[in-house]
Order: sequence, then C-alpha cells, then structure tokens
Amino acid sequence: QVQLQESGPGLVKPSETLSLTCSVSGGSISSYYLSWIRQPPGKGLEWIGYIYYSGSTNYNPSLKSRVTISVDTSKNQFSLKLSSVTAADTAVYYCAASIVRYYFDYWGQGTLVTVSS
Amino acid sequence: SYVLTQPPSVSVAPGQTARITCGGNNIESKSVHWYQQKPGQAPVLVVYDDTDRPSGIPERFSGSNSGNTATLTISRVEAGDEADYYCQVWDSSSDLLVFGGGTKLTVL
Repeated sequence: QVQLQESGPGLVKPSETLSLTCSVSGGSISSYYLSWIRQPPGKGLEWIGYIYYSGSTNYNPSLKSRVTISVDTSKNQFSLKLSSVTAADTAVYYCAASIVRYYFDYWGQGTLVTVSS
Repeated sequence: SYVLTQPPSVSVAPGQTARITCGGNNIESKSVHWYQQKPGQAPVLVVYDDTDRPSGIPERFSGSNSGNTATLTISRVEAGDEADYYCQVWDSSSDLLVFGGGTKLTVL
C-alpha cells in the first residue's frame, strides 16, 4: 500500500516561495503520476498539477506561471514550489499518487500552509 | 475550462438512499470519479470510471453517468457516511483535472 507524507513550512510570508515535499513509501515512485492538490479553509479542492516519474509535467493554467513540480526518484520524493504567494494561497496542500493520470488513488494526510507576515 | 456543478448540500435519513449529482456539459462523454472527505481528513476515492469501486469501498456506493449528469448513489445510508463528496473528471481537450465544488451530505 502506497503511503504519502507532506512536509514543509507551515507559515510563509507574502511574496515568498512556498516549498513542500512529498515522501512516498510502500512502493517505488516510478510509474506513478504524482500530483499536488490544495484546499483553502472551508472550500473545495483545486488541482495544482502533476509530474510523471519521467519528469513530464502538467499544471493548472490558473497557477502555471508560479508553479514548479519536480521529482527525485533516488529519494522517492517529489516537490512543489509556488512563488509570489499571497493570502489567497493559504490552504491545506495534499500530495497524491495514481497509476493513471485521470484520478487520484492515494493521498497524503495534507499539510496546512498559511501565508501571513 | 470544463465546469462541474454539484448541489451544496444533500440531506437523508439513516437507511435511506442518497443521490448526489454532478452536472457538466455532455459529461457522459467523460469518466467521472468521486471522493469522500470527512472533516480533518484527506479525500478518499470511492468511485472511479463512473461505476467502479476501489478495493475496500462498500457496495452501497455506486455511480452512474448519463447525458449532462453523473450521480453518486449511497444506499442504506449510515451516520458514518456524513461527509463532503466531490466529483472529478479529466478534461482530455485540455489535459486538465477538474473538481466539482463539493456536496455536504448530512445524515439526519
């Protein structure tokens, strides 16, 4: 059973870059589509983007100019960077993995990131 | 971009059947996936590809998709089914993954 765990700062200052890492255990990161999804407090889910283990990426156009997702197969991890953050980026950030890119099989527990000075 | 529309809330008595809809333009041409999210927890996939259930999901959860509406049906509703439910599709024309706004299921 694949398990995912997000890690990173819980507080980021406005205009700075949010950085999170997702560690994958219980299986190789290879052959998975690896996604980031976020959920502002009290609101719905928003897909941020995915990376395939080979390195190919696809991002939500609404965030594309600020998002970078990368993968480190040697560490079985993948990462999210979101630049120039504002209070609107405050959310619980989830990492997810799936065999196909059409939906999300496995989810991390989520980590709350607050953007505030 | 493709838009999915869900009712904000659905209420049902225990033992009854809950139906949660997800509307989209010609949604029957897409595969719809459903997630259950309980307070403070990550979403869990309960139905994928319109009608299939992942291992461990009770048979009480089923899905259908026709015309402009996909439906998640929960039979013999239990108190533990109270949660937010989200539909999701992959829009092949743009290669984007889209979520509906979510429906809060209340068990009376």
